[in-house]
Amino acid sequence: DIQMTQSPSSLSASVGDRVTITCQASQDISNYLNWYQQKPGKAPKLLIYDASNLETGVPSRFSGSGSGTDFTFTISSLQPEDIATYYCQQYDNLLTFGPGTKVDIK
Amino acid sequence: QLQLQESGPGLVKPSETLSLTCTVSGGSISSSSYYWGWIRQPPGKGLEWIGSIYYSGSTYYNPSLKSRVTISVDTSKNQFSLKLSSVTAADTAVYYCARHRIVGATSLDYWGQGTLVTVSS
Repeated sequence: DIQMTQSPSSLSASVGDRVTITCQASQDISNYLNWYQQKPGKAPKLLIYDASNLETGVPSRFSGSGSGTDFTFTISSLQPEDIATYYCQQYDNLLTFGPGTKVDIK
Repeated sequence: QLQLQESGPGLVKPSETLSLTCTVSGGSISSSSYYWGWIRQPPGKGLEWIGSIYYSGSTYYNPSLKSRVTISVDTSKNQFSLKLSSVTAADTAVYYCARHRIVGATSLDYWGQGTLVTVSS
């Protein structure tokens, strides 16, 4: 099984700050990684697919990078509506989600 | 606009079988570009993929749940279903259905709103 870890587990940042979340896979998954945003009480929403591709309609302040085992998700300028939990998810072997990173406003 | 809607009992007794259905509207479940999946989220916890099904009936499951899970599809009704047997309190969760894109980029790109299932006597 492929295990996913994320750090930090939570963070607080100010509006306009650059926010970075890391995700690590327990083995090489190439670029088979997606990022999702989940707001409280809502279903997750796909933001980034194949590690770095922005899903249609997603604001350009969101970005992703990485390959192999180490991945990064960035919000270039945090907005109030970005308060959510962010999950990475691998699909190299079945589907596995990371534990999530909760982002809130300082 | 594609929509997915989960339905089924919100309360299931321990040792019984949890049964949920996802109805797809605004698109065909018989598309060759997609699987259709189930994901769950215990209260206050993270996401767990349960399994996915193709319109032909081909399935793949999370190994940790495989012995208790059955996912089926009814193309005539544009629905797919989840059965989870021998449930315990640990199966209490919000259950989501989602479209599992397999062409271009494998991802869960459309989700239902989710339905809370509580396992309790």
